[in-house]
Amino acid sequence: NAGVMQNPRHLVRRRGQEARLRCSPMKGHSHVYWYRQLPEEGLKFMVYLQKENIIDESGMPKERFSAEFPKEGPSILRIQQVVRGDSAAYFCASSPSSRVAKNIQYFGAGTRLSVL
Amino acid sequence: EDKVVQSPLSLVVHEGDTVTLNCSYEVTNFRSLLWYKQEKKAPTFLFMLTSSGIEKKSGRLSSILDKKELFSILNITATQTGDSAIYLCAVELIKTSYDKVIFGPGTSLSVIP
Repeated sequence: NAGVMQNPRHLVRRRGQEARLRCSPMKGHSHVYWYRQLPEEGLKFMVYLQKENIIDESGMPKERFSAEFPKEGPSILRIQQVVRGDSAAYFCASSPSSRVAKNIQYFGAGTRLSVL
Repeated sequence: EDKVVQSPLSLVVHEGDTVTLNCSYEVTNFRSLLWYKQEKKAPTFLFMLTSSGIEKKSGRLSSILDKKELFSILNITATQTGDSAIYLCAVELIKTSYDKVIFGPGTSLSVIP
């Protein structure tokens, strides 16, 4: 059973370009969470999605950031017109249930975004 | 505002030492506290704690929760270089439709030979 797969592992973009980060959850998991991590900071929640639905996007900036989890295919975190401040590690986690007490979130290896 | 605080933020010890990592929290609607270990890649789950005073143990690692004083500790005995990592504490909050998890800043542990 493959774990949570994120790609690319490293992504370099110039200011103003778009960044697309992909996350394939573990088999059987229908809940996906995106987090951002800056150096010496913990994981900051961004968005929680179920298949075809955004459940909680309270941690995601309202401009330039969007997320989706289509019926088929991976979850995508999209950052338009990237700025240097977007440089960070972006982690995806998945779980089979929305209740962590029953099911732990499993993390991918992250995508490290560098904006030049 | 819900928050999770960890201390120390970084720690350097010698192999064989015992370390204690601290996590305190101020949240509403607490459900559980979780510990993760993050090496260079994905955070990996260590413990989930829901009840006060019950120690969870896995090899040289152990953890306990105090819900009255709102904190948890993670102990590592006889540390090894492979224990070098960032240790993340997180708290699960009960919300209407799902349980949100918020993370502390982490403790960066370096174990030197």
